[in-house]
Amino acid sequence: KAGVTQTPRYLIKTRGQQVTLSCSPISGHRSVSWYQQTPGQGLQFLFEYFSETQRNKGNFPGRFSGRQFSNSRSEMNVSTLELGDSALYLCASSLGDRGGGEQYFGPGTRLTVT
Amino acid sequence: AQSVTQLDSQVPVFEEAPVELRCNYSSSVSVYLFWYVQYPNQGLQLLLKYLSGSTLVESINGFEAEFNKSQTSFHLRKPSVHISDTAEYFCAVSVNYQLIWGAGTKLIIKP
Repeated sequence: KAGVTQTPRYLIKTRGQQVTLSCSPISGHRSVSWYQQTPGQGLQFLFEYFSETQRNKGNFPGRFSGRQFSNSRSEMNVSTLELGDSALYLCASSLGDRGGGEQYFGPGTRLTVT
Repeated sequence: AQSVTQLDSQVPVFEEAPVELRCNYSSSVSVYLFWYVQYPNQGLQLLLKYLSGSTLVESINGFEAEFNKSQTSFHLRKPSVHISDTAEYFCAVSVNYQLIWGAGTKLIIKP
């Protein structure tokens, strides 16, 4: 069974631009969660989607948004990029039936904002 | 609000020595507990989990963790570490359809 895939793996953007990251979950998984990881703040939860609906949301500004498609693939979008948005963005999938349990992570997208 | 505390940000230990990485959580409801490991420049991997049943759970690479409900702890242990165990370890608690994460502990193996 293929693991969680994230594209692109690396991205360099300029302040003020927007970016879209993509995540393909493990086949059969209906929940996708997104995290931001930085050296200073550690692992921070952005949001979780289950069956195309946002089920949980972290404390991030509205510039961070996401969506999930009927095939469970998910995208997250960051608008008006700031230097502080430079981070590793991780996507994780799970069956979703236990809600939040046992997540499987992708390799991440390394976003650099200049 | 639920929270997870990993008391040590870094734990240095000599190779072949035992190690314990501590994790405490606060929750008044039943929880599922996890340890994840992140090797350098990689994503997170599930190391072991406690869902129910035996309070002692083991991983395939020699780590074990014990769920202690009275102390609300889920400490991770290994009797003899190897240089390949160098990584950051995250404790997480699943409550109400969300994973609550600890800040992580970097395990540093000294030769």
